[in-house]
Amino acid sequence: QSVLTQPPSASGTPGQRVTISCSGSSSNIGSNTVNWYQQLPGTAPKLLIYSNNQRPSGVPDRFSGSKSGTSASLAISGLQSEDEADYYCAAWDDSLNGPGWVFGGGTKLTVL
Amino acid sequence: QLQLQESGSGLVKPSQTLSLTCAVSGGSISSGGYSWSWIRQPPGKGLEWIGYIYHSGSTYYNPSLKSRVTISVDRSKNQFSLKLSSVTAADTAVYYCARERSGAAAFDYWGQGTLVTVSS
Repeated sequence: QSVLTQPPSASGTPGQRVTISCSGSSSNIGSNTVNWYQQLPGTAPKLLIYSNNQRPSGVPDRFSGSKSGTSASLAISGLQSEDEADYYCAAWDDSLNGPGWVFGGGTKLTVL
Repeated sequence: QLQLQESGSGLVKPSQTLSLTCAVSGGSISSGGYSWSWIRQPPGKGLEWIGYIYHSGSTYYNPSLKSRVTISVDRSKNQFSLKLSSVTAADTAVYYCARERSGAAAFDYWGQGTLVTVSS
């Protein structure tokens, strides 16, 4: 059971806009920034969005992130076949039980 | 361009200690402003952060694994290592090393990952 909650799957057709949600709590998303990672099949995760809505150099502006309260979202516009991948959200958790990085369970995006 | 490369035993017997090393090239592991993490992914499942070591040498571990984890750094070889003791089948996973950029608080560089299987 992951600390951050994501839908297990999402889908869209080429050109569409899709969004992936990530729900947390006051100890993680509510008090820290959110990052998003893209994992193409058989490869290591790649940083897609950091600090809620910042794109690293080289990431297309089709990808955008937002955060509100204890939830965050990743939006992909102009969906392309190469966007088919697993997407993970992550945040630092200040839990009294022991702080650390926590991830969502991942969302498998299918381009129909 | 920074590169990270994991290496170590791909097969570990139950109750033994898993040992992995991450070699860093294209940059110094002693540079300030970064920490160096281990993250794992069981087959078909999500990501789990194991712990990190700062450039200063201080460490921080996932509370659920803390009693079994040791992360250390070898500055002379520009690499850092993971030891996970008393392994079980549940520790079977692809293990990644990654760099966290403190300012961005995100893992911006990852190794390719190495599969470790726990089996007798």
